[in-house]
Amino acid sequence: DAGITQSPRHKVTETGTPVTLRCHQTENHRYMYWYRQDPGHGLRLIHYSYGVKDTDKGEVSDGYSVSRSKTEDFLLTLESATSSQTSVYFCATKSGTEGGEAFFGQGTRLTVV
Amino acid sequence: SQQGEEDPQALSIQEGENATMNCSYKTSINNLQWYRQNSGRGLVHLILIRSNEREKHSGRLRVTLDTSKKSSSLLITASRAADTASYFCATGPANYGQNFVFGPGTRLSVLP
Repeated sequence: DAGITQSPRHKVTETGTPVTLRCHQTENHRYMYWYRQDPGHGLRLIHYSYGVKDTDKGEVSDGYSVSRSKTEDFLLTLESATSSQTSVYFCATKSGTEGGEAFFGQGTRLTVV
Repeated sequence: SQQGEEDPQALSIQEGENATMNCSYKTSINNLQWYRQNSGRGLVHLILIRSNEREKHSGRLRVTLDTSKKSSSLLITASRAADTASYFCATGPANYGQNFVFGPGTRLSVLP
Protein backbone atom coordinates (compact mmCIF):
# COMPACT_ATOMS: atom_id res chain seq x y z
CA ASP A 1 0.00 0.00 0.00
CA ALA A 2 2.94 2.30 -0.72
CA GLY A 3 3.33 3.55 2.84
CA ILE A 4 0.01 5.33 3.20
CA THR A 5 -1.74 5.03 6.53
CA GLN A 6 -5.17 6.32 7.32
CA SER A 7 -6.43 6.72 10.85
CA PRO A 8 -8.80 5.87 12.26
CA ARG A 9 -9.98 2.99 10.08
CA HIS A 10 -13.47 3.09 11.52
CA LYS A 11 -15.32 5.79 13.40
CA VAL A 12 -18.84 6.37 14.59
CA THR A 13 -19.66 9.90 15.61
CA GLU A 14 -22.71 11.95 16.45
CA THR A 15 -24.23 14.63 14.30
CA GLY A 16 -22.77 18.03 15.03
CA THR A 17 -19.45 16.85 16.39
CA PRO A 18 -16.11 17.69 14.77
CA VAL A 19 -14.14 14.84 13.26
CA THR A 20 -10.58 14.72 11.96
CA LEU A 21 -9.23 12.01 9.72
CA ARG A 22 -5.53 11.63 9.24
CA CYS A 23 -3.51 10.49 6.27
CA HIS A 24 0.17 9.77 6.72
CA GLN A 25 2.57 8.90 3.91
CA THR A 26 6.16 7.79 3.89
CA GLU A 27 6.70 8.20 0.13
CA ASN A 28 7.55 11.91 0.13
CA HIS A 29 4.90 12.40 -2.57
CA ARG A 30 4.05 15.95 -3.43
CA TYR A 31 0.34 15.52 -4.09
CA MET A 32 -2.21 14.28 -1.59
CA TYR A 33 -5.94 13.83 -2.02
CA TRP A 34 -9.03 13.11 0.00
CA TYR A 35 -11.88 11.28 -1.71
CA ARG A 36 -15.16 9.97 -0.49
CA GLN A 37 -16.73 6.86 -1.93
CA ASP A 38 -20.45 6.31 -1.95
CA PRO A 39 -22.53 3.71 -3.81
CA GLY A 40 -23.24 4.78 -7.36
CA HIS A 41 -20.86 7.74 -7.24
CA GLY A 42 -17.43 6.23 -7.48
CA LEU A 43 -14.79 8.37 -5.83
CA ARG A 44 -15.41 12.07 -5.50
CA LEU A 45 -12.63 14.49 -4.74
CA ILE A 46 -13.08 16.51 -1.55
CA HIS A 47 -9.82 18.44 -1.27
CA TYR A 48 -6.30 18.05 -2.49
CA SER A 49 -2.87 19.39 -1.70
CA TYR A 50 -0.01 20.15 -4.05
CA GLY A 51 2.51 20.94 -1.34
CA VAL A 52 2.92 21.93 2.28
CA LYS A 53 0.27 24.51 3.15
CA ASP A 54 -0.96 24.45 -0.45
CA THR A 55 -4.47 23.05 -0.71
CA ASP A 56 -7.49 23.47 -2.91
CA LYS A 57 -11.09 22.38 -3.13
CA GLY A 58 -12.45 19.43 -5.04
CA GLU A 59 -15.96 18.85 -6.30
CA VAL A 60 -17.56 18.03 -2.92
CA SER A 61 -15.70 20.28 -0.48
CA ASP A 62 -18.64 21.81 1.37
CA GLY A 63 -18.52 20.91 5.08
CA TYR A 64 -14.89 19.81 4.91
CA SER A 65 -11.57 21.50 5.55
CA VAL A 66 -8.01 20.24 5.23
CA SER A 67 -4.56 21.08 6.44
CA ARG A 68 -1.10 20.05 5.41
CA SER A 69 1.61 21.31 7.72
CA LYS A 70 4.10 18.61 6.77
CA THR A 71 4.75 16.74 3.56
CA GLU A 72 3.78 13.44 5.14
CA ASP A 73 0.49 14.42 6.79
CA PHE A 74 -2.82 15.51 5.28
CA LEU A 75 -5.71 16.05 7.66
CA LEU A 76 -9.39 16.12 6.73
CA THR A 77 -11.74 17.80 9.18
CA LEU A 78 -15.49 17.69 9.28
CA GLU A 79 -16.27 20.80 11.29
CA SER A 80 -19.75 19.65 12.26
CA ALA A 81 -20.53 16.17 11.05
CA THR A 82 -23.83 15.47 9.30
CA SER A 83 -25.47 12.20 8.33
CA SER A 84 -24.79 12.98 4.66
CA GLN A 85 -21.08 12.71 5.44
CA THR A 86 -21.44 9.05 6.33
CA SER A 87 -19.12 7.49 3.79
CA VAL A 88 -15.85 5.72 3.18
CA TYR A 89 -12.99 8.19 2.92
CA PHE A 90 -9.85 7.46 0.98
CA CYS A 91 -6.58 9.27 1.00
CA ALA A 92 -4.33 9.09 -2.04
CA THR A 93 -0.90 10.36 -2.91
CA LYS A 94 0.97 10.98 -6.11
CA SER A 95 4.49 11.98 -6.87
CA GLY A 96 5.22 15.17 -8.77
CA THR A 97 5.69 13.21 -11.98
CA GLU A 98 3.27 14.34 -14.65
CA GLY A 99 0.57 11.78 -15.16
CA GLY A 100 1.87 9.40 -12.53
CA GLU A 101 -0.19 6.81 -10.75
CA ALA A 102 -1.95 7.41 -7.46
CA PHE A 103 -1.47 5.30 -4.36
CA PHE A 104 -4.37 4.81 -2.03
CA GLY A 105 -4.76 4.21 1.66
CA GLN A 106 -7.03 1.51 3.01
CA GLY A 107 -9.89 3.87 3.72
CA THR A 108 -11.75 5.15 6.76
CA ARG A 109 -15.35 4.14 7.27
CA LEU A 110 -17.14 7.02 8.97
CA THR A 111 -20.66 6.73 10.28
CA VAL A 112 -22.48 9.82 11.51
CA VAL A 113 -25.48 8.99 13.66
CA SER B 1 -17.19 17.66 -15.52
CA GLN B 2 -14.72 15.37 -17.18
CA GLN B 3 -15.86 12.40 -15.15
CA GLY B 4 -15.21 9.00 -16.64
CA GLU B 5 -18.18 6.71 -16.91
CA GLU B 6 -17.64 2.99 -16.89
CA ASP B 7 -19.86 0.56 -18.72
CA PRO B 8 -21.30 -1.86 -17.81
CA GLN B 9 -22.02 -1.13 -14.16
CA ALA B 10 -21.82 -4.83 -13.38
CA LEU B 11 -20.45 -7.82 -15.26
CA SER B 12 -20.59 -11.49 -14.39
CA ILE B 13 -18.54 -14.07 -16.29
CA GLN B 14 -17.14 -17.56 -15.93
CA GLU B 15 -13.54 -18.23 -15.06
CA GLY B 16 -11.42 -18.41 -18.20
CA GLU B 17 -13.59 -16.00 -20.16
CA ASN B 18 -12.51 -12.53 -21.18
CA ALA B 19 -13.94 -9.45 -19.50
CA THR B 20 -14.28 -6.12 -21.26
CA MET B 21 -15.09 -2.87 -19.55
CA ASN B 22 -15.51 0.49 -21.19
CA CYS B 23 -14.92 4.03 -20.05
CA SER B 24 -16.16 7.24 -21.62
CA TYR B 25 -15.14 10.75 -20.70
CA LYS B 26 -16.04 14.27 -21.68
CA THR B 27 -13.03 16.55 -22.05
CA SER B 28 -9.45 16.46 -23.28
CA ILE B 29 -7.14 14.32 -21.21
CA ASN B 30 -3.44 13.89 -20.62
CA ASN B 31 -3.77 10.25 -19.70
CA LEU B 32 -6.26 7.65 -18.59
CA GLN B 33 -5.68 5.16 -15.82
CA TRP B 34 -7.43 2.02 -14.68
CA TYR B 35 -7.64 0.96 -11.05
CA ARG B 36 -8.94 -2.12 -9.27
CA GLN B 37 -10.64 -2.15 -5.89
CA ASN B 38 -11.15 -5.32 -3.94
CA SER B 39 -13.97 -5.29 -1.45
CA GLY B 40 -13.13 -3.22 1.60
CA ARG B 41 -9.77 -2.13 0.25
CA GLY B 42 -8.24 0.92 -1.37
CA LEU B 43 -7.74 1.27 -5.09
CA VAL B 44 -4.74 -0.26 -6.78
CA HIS B 45 -3.29 1.11 -9.98
CA LEU B 46 -3.39 -1.28 -12.93
CA ILE B 47 -2.28 0.55 -16.02
CA LEU B 48 -1.85 4.03 -17.47
CA ILE B 49 -2.26 4.99 -21.10
CA ARG B 50 -1.25 8.39 -22.38
CA SER B 51 -3.30 10.44 -24.78
CA ASN B 52 -0.84 9.82 -27.63
CA GLU B 53 -1.05 6.04 -27.19
CA ARG B 54 -3.71 3.78 -28.68
CA GLU B 55 -3.08 0.48 -26.98
CA LYS B 56 -1.13 -0.84 -24.03
CA HIS B 57 -0.59 -4.27 -22.54
CA SER B 58 0.33 -5.45 -19.08
CA GLY B 59 0.18 -9.17 -18.44
CA ARG B 60 -3.44 -10.24 -18.99
CA LEU B 61 -4.57 -6.63 -19.29
CA ARG B 62 -5.08 -4.79 -22.54
CA VAL B 63 -6.14 -1.18 -22.62
CA THR B 64 -7.17 0.79 -25.66
CA LEU B 65 -7.77 4.50 -25.97
CA ASP B 66 -9.72 6.30 -28.67
CA THR B 67 -9.39 10.02 -28.06
CA SER B 68 -11.65 10.85 -31.02
CA LYS B 69 -14.48 8.98 -29.32
CA LYS B 70 -13.32 9.92 -25.82
CA SER B 71 -13.42 6.30 -24.77
CA SER B 72 -11.21 3.57 -23.41
CA SER B 73 -11.63 -0.14 -22.87
CA LEU B 74 -10.02 -2.54 -20.43
CA LEU B 75 -9.81 -6.17 -21.46
CA ILE B 76 -8.90 -8.84 -18.93
CA THR B 77 -8.10 -12.09 -20.68
CA ALA B 78 -8.48 -15.58 -19.22
CA SER B 79 -10.17 -14.22 -16.12
CA ARG B 80 -9.71 -15.78 -12.71
CA ALA B 81 -11.82 -15.74 -9.57
CA ALA B 82 -9.20 -13.42 -8.06
CA ASP B 83 -10.09 -10.80 -10.68
CA THR B 84 -13.42 -10.29 -8.93
CA ALA B 85 -13.35 -6.63 -7.97
CA SER B 86 -14.55 -3.20 -8.98
CA TYR B 87 -12.69 -1.50 -11.78
CA PHE B 88 -12.45 2.26 -12.18
CA CYS B 89 -11.14 4.48 -14.89
CA ALA B 90 -9.61 7.80 -13.95
CA THR B 91 -8.93 10.61 -16.37
CA GLY B 92 -5.95 12.87 -15.99
CA PRO B 93 -6.84 16.33 -17.27
CA ALA B 94 -4.95 17.96 -20.09
CA ASN B 95 -5.12 21.47 -18.80
CA TYR B 96 -5.54 21.45 -15.07
CA GLY B 97 -3.01 20.51 -12.47
CA GLN B 98 -2.48 17.01 -11.36
CA ASN B 99 -6.00 15.94 -10.47
CA PHE B 100 -7.92 13.12 -11.99
CA VAL B 101 -11.54 12.17 -11.85
CA PHE B 102 -12.96 8.71 -11.28
CA GLY B 103 -16.02 7.12 -12.75
CA PRO B 104 -18.54 5.07 -10.73
CA GLY B 105 -16.84 1.80 -11.63
CA THR B 106 -17.68 -1.62 -13.05
CA ARG B 107 -18.30 -4.44 -10.63
CA LEU B 108 -16.79 -7.62 -12.09
CA SER B 109 -17.70 -11.03 -10.74
CA VAL B 110 -15.74 -14.01 -12.01
CA LEU B 111 -17.48 -17.25 -11.19
CA PRO B 112 -15.45 -20.43 -10.65
